[in-house]
Amino acid sequence: DIQMTQSPSSVSASVGDRVTITCRASQGISNWLAWYQQKPGKAPNLLIYAASSLQSGVPSRFSGSGSGTDFTLTIDSLQPEDFATYYCQQANSFPPGPFGGGTKVEIK
Amino acid sequence: QVHLVESGGGLVKPGGSLRLSCGASGFTFTDYYMSWIRQTPGKGLEWVSYISNYYTYINYADSVKGRFTISRDNAQNSVYLQMNSLRAEDTAVYFCARVVGSGSQKGTFDYWGPGTLVTVSS
Repeated sequence: DIQMTQSPSSVSASVGDRVTITCRASQGISNWLAWYQQKPGKAPNLLIYAASSLQSGVPSRFSGSGSGTDFTLTIDSLQPEDFATYYCQQANSFPPGPFGGGTKVEIK
Repeated sequence: QVHLVESGGGLVKPGGSLRLSCGASGFTFTDYYMSWIRQTPGKGLEWVSYISNYYTYINYADSVKGRFTISRDNAQNSVYLQMNSLRAEDTAVYFCARVVGSGSQKGTFDYWGPGTLVTVSS
């Protein structure tokens, strides 16, 4: 089974900072990777699919990159509404998932 | 617009049963696989089960295999999760999610319901 490992598990940042989150798959998944944002008490929201494609309505300050086993989610110029937990998810094979362990972006 | 809403959560004793429902609207239900995903309090996300458009493909996480059963009623635009032999570790918020089955978004969960809380405790 494919395992997804995210780092860091949490990061403290200020408004306007650039934040980078990494996700590593235990085996190659080409570009079949998605990123989700989850705010407290809410369901996750799809941000990025196919490693680098922005879901409709997602601000352009979010970007994704990577292929194979190593992936990155970058948030340029962090905004107050971006403080949340972010999860990666492999979409290379069915069943879909698993998810990474999550990265909480907190206010410094 | 796409709308998913779960129901049926609640408090149940260990060994008990519960049936979750998810009603869907705003899209052609039979075009999509559907899935259940859970999140334990303060923890991450765990995929639980999925079902294909016309029931051909069904799969479960090892942690629930043999205890949970997913089904769908395409006439009612609904998907269900029958949970039997519940354990304390099944305590979680259960989300219903739409699965994209093809194209560049294949395998992603593009819409989610707000979730329903299942608590297994004596």
